[in-house]
Amino acid sequence: QSVLTQTPSSSGTPGQRVTISCSGTTANIGSQPVSWYQQFPGAAPKLLIHSDDQRPSGVPDRISGSKSGTSAYLAISGLQSEDEADYYCSSWDESLSGHVFGTGSKVTVL
Amino acid sequence: EVQLVESGGGLVQPGGSLRLSCVASGFTFSNYEMNWVRQAPGKGLEWVAHVSGNRNNLDYHADSVRGRFTISRDNSKNSVFLQMNSLRVEDTAFYYCVRDLLFVGNAWDYWGRGTLVTVSS
Repeated sequence: QSVLTQTPSSSGTPGQRVTISCSGTTANIGSQPVSWYQQFPGAAPKLLIHSDDQRPSGVPDRISGSKSGTSAYLAISGLQSEDEADYYCSSWDESLSGHVFGTGSKVTVL
Repeated sequence: EVQLVESGGGLVQPGGSLRLSCVASGFTFSNYEMNWVRQAPGKGLEWVAHVSGNRNNLDYHADSVRGRFTISRDNSKNSVFLQMNSLRVEDTAFYYCVRDLLFVGNAWDYWGRGTLVTVSS
């Protein structure tokens, strides 16, 4: 049972911008760093964003992360067909003393 | 090139045990904290366990597995393990070996391909 609640699905045409939200509480997102992962079917997840808004090397700058209060957001601008995947947010939960993931969001490129 | 290769998955009956292994290469293993993350077929991700690096070897586990699963590591073999006892049907999942991003909390930069554990009678 996921502690963080994500937008179940988002879609857009090539070139558009889509935003995924990840809602938590003061015990996790509100006080801890957030990371985001991209996962294609049959493959392992890939780190896209860490520390709320930091991109690892190799992740294009059209992908960005942000946080406000107890919610975090992943934005993909200039949407491309290769962005069609599942996306997960993650944080540390102080009350559970463990890492938690979001429910997952499916991005579809129309 | 960083590589994490899991092994040890398979079919086991409820109540049984299994030991997963992950061999790391391409980096100084002892410097990194390591984790196991699982994903039931068609479902979302769930963090399972974490073990710290060479300084203090602390470990912690998710509530859902605490008391049944134990994470450990052997830096001399560049390996991390997950001993799984009292397995339940709901433990069926792909188990990924995952490396912490150095000096950053709650971020994992390299993932293995996963090994499938199926708990069924």
